[in-house]
Amino acid sequence: TQLLEQSPQFLSIQEGENLTVYCNSSSVFSSLQWYRQEPGEGPVLLVTVVTGGEVKKLKRLTFQFGDARKDSSLHITAAQPGDTGLYLCAPRGGPRRLTGGGNKLTFGTGTQLKVEL
Amino acid sequence: SAVISQKPSRDICQRGTSLTIQCQVDSQVTMMFWYRQQPGQSLTLIATANQGSEATYESGFVIDKFPISRPNLTFSTLTVSNMSPEDSSIYLCSVWDATGANVLTFGAGSRLTVL
Repeated sequence: TQLLEQSPQFLSIQEGENLTVYCNSSSVFSSLQWYRQEPGEGPVLLVTVVTGGEVKKLKRLTFQFGDARKDSSLHITAAQPGDTGLYLCAPRGGPRRLTGGGNKLTFGTGTQLKVEL
Repeated sequence: SAVISQKPSRDICQRGTSLTIQCQVDSQVTMMFWYRQQPGQSLTLIATANQGSEATYESGFVIDKFPISRPNLTFSTLTVSNMSPEDSSIYLCSVWDATGANVLTFGAGSRLTVL
C-alpha cells in the first residue's frame, strides 16, 4: 500500500507561531482522519472530516477537507510545546492502494512537529 | 474507548534472537492490527489478527518473520523472529473502538532495539 503524502515532513517552530500541515492526494476519499502521536504513546484520533469543504475546529487546531475530498489541511494557531508530536492523516473509503481496503487503516507519511519555548 | 496494554514496553535484543510482544485489550474485539513504526517514520500495517483464523499479512511482511497468535477475542501476540538491526522499531497493537465511533485505538507500543 502506498502512503499518502504529507508536507512538510519536519517542522520546528517557536511557541506562538502558526503552522499548516498538508495531506495531499489525487484520489477521492469518503472521509479522512487526523491522528497525533506524542513521544512514547500510540496515535490518538483528533478529528474525522467527511464532507467536501468541511471545516472542523478543535481549540487552536483547524481541520479542512478539500472540496473534492482529495486533500486535507491542519492549521495550528499560536502553537504551544504541548502540540509537539507526529501528525498523521489516514484516508478512508478510497483506492485500495492508498487505504489498504476493508477495515484496515493506513497512514500518511506523517509530519513531525516540534514546538520550542 | 478500549484500553490496550502492550508488553514489553521496550527491550534490547541480540541479533538472531526472537521476541514476542503481547497485546491485551479490555474488551472483546473481532480484529486486532499490528503496526511497525521505524525510527522517524509513519506507521506501517504488518497484519490483521482475527480470532480463529490465520492472520492476514500486508505486502512485504511474512508469517515466518512475524508469526501472530490470536487465541481469544481480547489477546494477541506478535513475534519478531531472527531479529536484525533493521527490525529496530516501535511495534504497536490497535483495535477499532467498540463504540462504533470509527476510532482506531492504540497501545503505547513496544520499542525494540536490536544490537
